[in-house]
Amino acid sequence: SQQGEEDPQALSIQEGENATMNCSYKTSINNLQWYRQNSGRGLVHLILIRSNEREKHSGRLRVTLDTSKKSSSLLITASRAADTASYFCASGSRLTFGEGTQLTVNP
Amino acid sequence: DTGVSQDPRHKITKRGQNVTFRCDPISEHNRLYWYRQTLGQGPEFLTYFQNEAQLEKSRLLSDRFSAERPKGSFSTLEIQRTEQGDSAMYLCASSPPSGSPADTQYFGPGTRLTVL
Repeated sequence: SQQGEEDPQALSIQEGENATMNCSYKTSINNLQWYRQNSGRGLVHLILIRSNEREKHSGRLRVTLDTSKKSSSLLITASRAADTASYFCASGSRLTFGEGTQLTVNP
Repeated sequence: DTGVSQDPRHKITKRGQNVTFRCDPISEHNRLYWYRQTLGQGPEFLTYFQNEAQLEKSRLLSDRFSAERPKGSFSTLEIQRTEQGDSAMYLCASSPPSGSPADTQYFGPGTRLTVL
């Protein structure tokens, strides 16, 4: 079974808007990572948040982690058309991914 | 470009044929992973090497699949007697030596396999 489950499965917004994606996981983690995948291509690491951190920022990205609820969220602010991609959360050393959130940013 | 590279990028084969994929990790990375991804799904872990030792294999890795990393550098993934269900994107990733067991993994562009 998959460790991470992203929600929503698909999200469509206008350029400039913020996008929020959520991830729930099942077992205890040391850290949680978010990756982006453009259509048919490899994954790009976005951000890693450790289990003792509650929030982390990187540019237009903001990640939160709530270990009591076994959940994380990824916020992309001021979205751009180039942000259109699938976003996955993953945990563990042998990364376990969910099905991802397909984000579409319309120009 | 010193990222993870994979070859070939695309492979079309007939059912029953054998195929082999290659992955070249980032040069100083001693850990190497293989994943498989089908359409609309997230990647699924297949196997993991630390240097030349294959330390873990997923139950997804049937007897028809074999992976090697003979000198602790590049790795190959071979699928024997391919089946249509093997059609997927095969992703390779690497990560540097570290005290943390769950460091960032750097992915290659993948090899897309189509079995006719």
